[in-house]
Amino acid sequence: GQQLNQSPQSMFIQEGEDVSMNCTSSSIFNTWLWYKQDPGEGPVLLIALYKAGELTSNGRLTAQFGITRKDSFLNISASIPSDVGIYFCAGLLNAGNNRKLIWGLGTSLAVNP
Amino acid sequence: ETGVTQTPRHLVMGMTNKKSLKCEQHLGHNAMYWYKQSAKKPLELMFVYNFKEQTENNSVPSRFSPECPNSSHLFLHLHTLQPEDSALYLCASSVQETQYFGPGTRLLVL
Repeated sequence: GQQLNQSPQSMFIQEGEDVSMNCTSSSIFNTWLWYKQDPGEGPVLLIALYKAGELTSNGRLTAQFGITRKDSFLNISASIPSDVGIYFCAGLLNAGNNRKLIWGLGTSLAVNP
Repeated sequence: ETGVTQTPRHLVMGMTNKKSLKCEQHLGHNAMYWYKQSAKKPLELMFVYNFKEQTENNSVPSRFSPECPNSSHLFLHLHTLQPEDSALYLCASSVQETQYFGPGTRLLVL
């Protein structure tokens, strides 16, 4: 099935460092969503992006919807231990009458205190 | 707390058992979803319900049977599962594109 290319696959950083991850696709998306999943829990929505070029922040998190509508990035500034988890991107694909959410494989983040 | 609850949180069942997963959303959303999450795979959409009507079934084996009695509740009935069905089963609800997930049911099939 379709999927997004999400990178990096995993990251191990020191507390206080900034983090950047991104998703790319050959398809055009109308919406980008970024989620975080803690161990044993479901994904929690972090940021939703609805327009090409849109830059949105949520606390220490910033995400952008690429101008080409084929990519998006998520930045985390000044990481803290509770940022640990798996971050997923998801893009909304319009295909005729079908609207489908396509998911990346996730970026696993580990933060060393 | 996302407003979507799932029970049970953990389930162990044999291949001959019948069990059901329950999802309830308190968000007033019209659409509900079942996903399967396995290691090293993207989230797999299984079923979609809009206003209690099933609008999508992504070639899911018949041993998984969904039920949506109203727009707040969604069930997934399980019978004669296989070990490869072991996974985290996530329920979500949405209004428009943004989906809100429950905590999931961790299923182990022995």
